[in-house]
Amino acid sequence: NAGVTQTPKFQVLKTGQSMTLQCAQDMNHEYMSWYRQDPGMGLRLIHYSVGAGITDQGEVPNGYNVSRSTTEDFPLRLLSAAPSQTSVYFCASSSSPGGREKLFFGSGTQLSVL
Amino acid sequence: RKEVEQDPGPFNVPEGATVAFNCTYSNSASQSFFWYRQDCRKEPKLLMSVYSSGNEDGRFTAQLNRASQYISLLIRDSKLSDSATYLCVVKITNFGNEKLTFGTGTRLTIIP
Repeated sequence: NAGVTQTPKFQVLKTGQSMTLQCAQDMNHEYMSWYRQDPGMGLRLIHYSVGAGITDQGEVPNGYNVSRSTTEDFPLRLLSAAPSQTSVYFCASSSSPGGREKLFFGSGTQLSVL
Repeated sequence: RKEVEQDPGPFNVPEGATVAFNCTYSNSASQSFFWYRQDCRKEPKLLMSVYSSGNEDGRFTAQLNRASQYISLLIRDSKLSDSATYLCVVKITNFGNEKLTFGTGTRLTIIP
């Protein structure tokens, strides 16, 4: 099992550009989520999904879109990148709604927006 | 006041020593508690859950004090490989919605 696979590992964007961060898991987990991690702040939830076709907003959803067409994939789209979106992004999954705290994280994407 | 607060450290501890750090939470309705470990430039990984009666996993002991609203992590006989940032996580369930709040982490460096 590869676990949670996240690509790319690094990305530099110019303000206003769009891009998609890819996330895939092979553990048949229902729950998937996206977090961002900034210095001096804890991981913050951007969007999450409890199953294919179902997504919801987290704590900091503005400027991001998600979709969940399959159980395995949960891409995060930045519509028009802003410098405030410079951060490290983690995708995470877990096996059930009752166990969301037992998260398996991808290796992260370091994003810089100039 | 932050929902979850941790001393950022760094804690610099000699190999073989015992180290402990705390995490305080502000919401008394918090139900579940966890410690994650994050190595430098890596993803967080679940270290252990924290149970009401306290629990051990090898050299690691986690405790919960609901009256004072904090959890603690104690590491005995510390190893160089224990160097990492330790994240405290608190879960609240409200009308079926679960919310996880992550602390900013406590950085631990074990010195040879």
